[in-house]
Amino acid sequence: DIVMTQSPDSLAVSLGERATINCKSSQSVLHSSNNKNYLAWYQQKPGQPPKLLIYWASTRESGIPDRFSGSGSGTDFTLTISSLQAEDVAVYYCHQYLGTLTFGGGTKVEIK
Amino acid sequence: QVQLVESGGDVVQPGRSLRLSCAASGFTFSLYGIHWVRQAPGKGLEWVAYISHGGTAKSYADSVKGRFTVSRDNSKSTLYLQMNSLTAEDTAVYYCAKKGDDRTYGGSIDFWGQGTLVTVSS
Repeated sequence: DIVMTQSPDSLAVSLGERATINCKSSQSVLHSSNNKNYLAWYQQKPGQPPKLLIYWASTRESGIPDRFSGSGSGTDFTLTISSLQAEDVAVYYCHQYLGTLTFGGGTKVEIK
Repeated sequence: QVQLVESGGDVVQPGRSLRLSCAASGFTFSLYGIHWVRQAPGKGLEWVAYISHGGTAKSYADSVKGRFTVSRDNSKSTLYLQMNSLTAEDTAVYYCAKKGDDRTYGGSIDFWGQGTLVTVSS
């Protein structure tokens, strides 16, 4: 199975500042047939299920604010929150869906 | 709007069985594959099982293979997870999660239910 490793485990960011979360896969999730990265990002707030933010590594899901962006290719990916808002406090997970589904360990984002 | 409502979670003793259900609405259930994903208390997400839209293709995580069985009844828009020989390591919130259409989402999960808690304890 493809192992997903996120860093950091947690981070505290001031309101309005940038938050950056990294995700590394143990093998490439770039599919050669369509040149797409099978990588998604989810947000999970306390007591709630995960919510899809980004798929294809950089495509924002409908209704997701544009302060959320995804980048990267192959094995290294980043989720960026450009200007942290209070409602963004959550745990964020990366997820690969190229093979058997696997998830990163999560990154907890808090307000500094 | 899409809804997935899990039920059946309970406190059970080790070695016992439990069946979870997931009732779907707001989309054409028979066109979409569905996953079960679990989350142990305070932990991350673990994929458990998958069933294709027609029910012919199924797959399981190694940790549950041979003990859990996924099934679906498209006439009732309902998904099931039969869990046998439960152990403490199966304690988790179990989510049913809809697979997005392949062309748009490439098969990523695009929607999750609220989850149901299974506690295995003597």
